[in-house]
Amino acid sequence: DIQMTQSPSTLSASVGDRVTITCRASQSISSWLAWYQQKPGKAPKLLIYKASSLESGVPSRFSGSGSGTEFTLTISSLQPDDFATYYCQQYNSYSPFTFGPGTKVDIK
Amino acid sequence: EVQLVESGGGLIQPGGSLRLSCAASGFTVSSNYMSWVRQAPGKGLEWVSVIYSGGSTYYADSVKGRFTISRDNSKNTLYLQMNSLRAEDTAVYYCARTSRDGYNYYWGQGTLVTVSS
Repeated sequence: DIQMTQSPSTLSASVGDRVTITCRASQSISSWLAWYQQKPGKAPKLLIYKASSLESGVPSRFSGSGSGTEFTLTISSLQPDDFATYYCQQYNSYSPFTFGPGTKVDIK
Repeated sequence: EVQLVESGGGLIQPGGSLRLSCAASGFTVSSNYMSWVRQAPGKGLEWVSVIYSGGSTYYADSVKGRFTISRDNSKNTLYLQMNSLRAEDTAVYYCARTSRDGYNYYWGQGTLVTVSS
């Protein structure tokens, strides 16, 4: 099975900061990576798919990059609505569609 | 408008069975890939199962042989039959509309399953 890791596990930041979260896969997944945002008590929301494609309706301050085994999610200027937990997910194969452990972005 | 509404969660004793439902509107379940994803209290997301439009099904190792994903085309509803439930199956279960590549682009609100005596 493909294992996913994320760093950092927690990130403290201020409004306006540039924020970068890293996701690594235990083997190459090409660009088959998605990023989700989840707020407490709510369902996850898709932000990015295929490593760098922005889902419709998602603000352009969110961007994704990477391929192979290393990927990043960047928020160019953190907004109050962005304090949440972020998960990456590989979908290179069904075996299985593993998620990363999450990165919580909280207020500094 | 696309909508996914899960139901069927609740408190169940270890070893028991439960069937979750996910009623869809605004699209046809049988023409789409559909998934179940769960989240234990205070923990991260765990993929559980997927059913392809052609009917192929896949499961996480943690539920293989105990859980069954299915759909009722006439009711436009996705199901997850959960047997031999364990305490570690306690979680919020989300259904999701899944792209043919494998990412989940629309999620329901979730239903809580608690396995406890």
